[in-house]
Amino acid sequence: NAGVTQTPKFRVLKTGQSMTLLCAQDMNHEYMYWYRQDPGMGLRLIHYSVGEGTTAKGEVPDGYNVSRLKKQNFLLGLESAAPSQTSVYFCASSYSMVQPSYNEQFFGPGTRLTVL
Amino acid sequence: QKEVEQDPGPLSVPEGAIVSLNCTYSNSAFQYFMWYRQYSRKGPELLMYTYSSGNKEDGRFTAQVDKSSKYISLFIRDSQPSDSATYLCAMRSNDYKLSFGAGTTVTVRA
Repeated sequence: NAGVTQTPKFRVLKTGQSMTLLCAQDMNHEYMYWYRQDPGMGLRLIHYSVGEGTTAKGEVPDGYNVSRLKKQNFLLGLESAAPSQTSVYFCASSYSMVQPSYNEQFFGPGTRLTVL
Repeated sequence: QKEVEQDPGPLSVPEGAIVSLNCTYSNSAFQYFMWYRQYSRKGPELLMYTYSSGNKEDGRFTAQVDKSSKYISLFIRDSQPSDSATYLCAMRSNDYKLSFGAGTTVTVRA
């Protein structure tokens, strides 16, 4: 099992450009999440999904859009990148919220994004 | 004010020392408490989780939760250079959304 994979690993954008980050998981998890990690801020939830075809806003959703067309994939889009979106982006997935042991979030390796 | 406060460190200790990490929180609805370990340029991985107050031990690691004080701790005994990483506390209530601390960077010197 590959677990959670993310593409690309690195990207440099100019202000105003758009891009899509792809997250894939092979664990048949229902829940998927996108976080950003900034120094001194910890991990902050951008958007999440509780199942195929569903998405919801997290703590810092502005400037991002997401889609979950297939259960195993969760896409994060930046329509018009801004320097404030320079960050490391992590995708995570989890099985269920019913039991805490099954709610462990498994993280991908991250995407380092720089917006100039 | 952040929901979860964690001293970012950095913390540098000699090999074999006890490492003590802690977080405080303000949301009394939090019931599940976790510690994630993140190696440099990697994603976080779950190290330990506890439910409600009390202690939990796993090898060299001990997690403590004091809900009355809204305070959680992680202790690493006999620390090794391989323990050098950033440790993030995380917690949640009955939903599936985690609130993370900022992370504490630990270096164990050989």
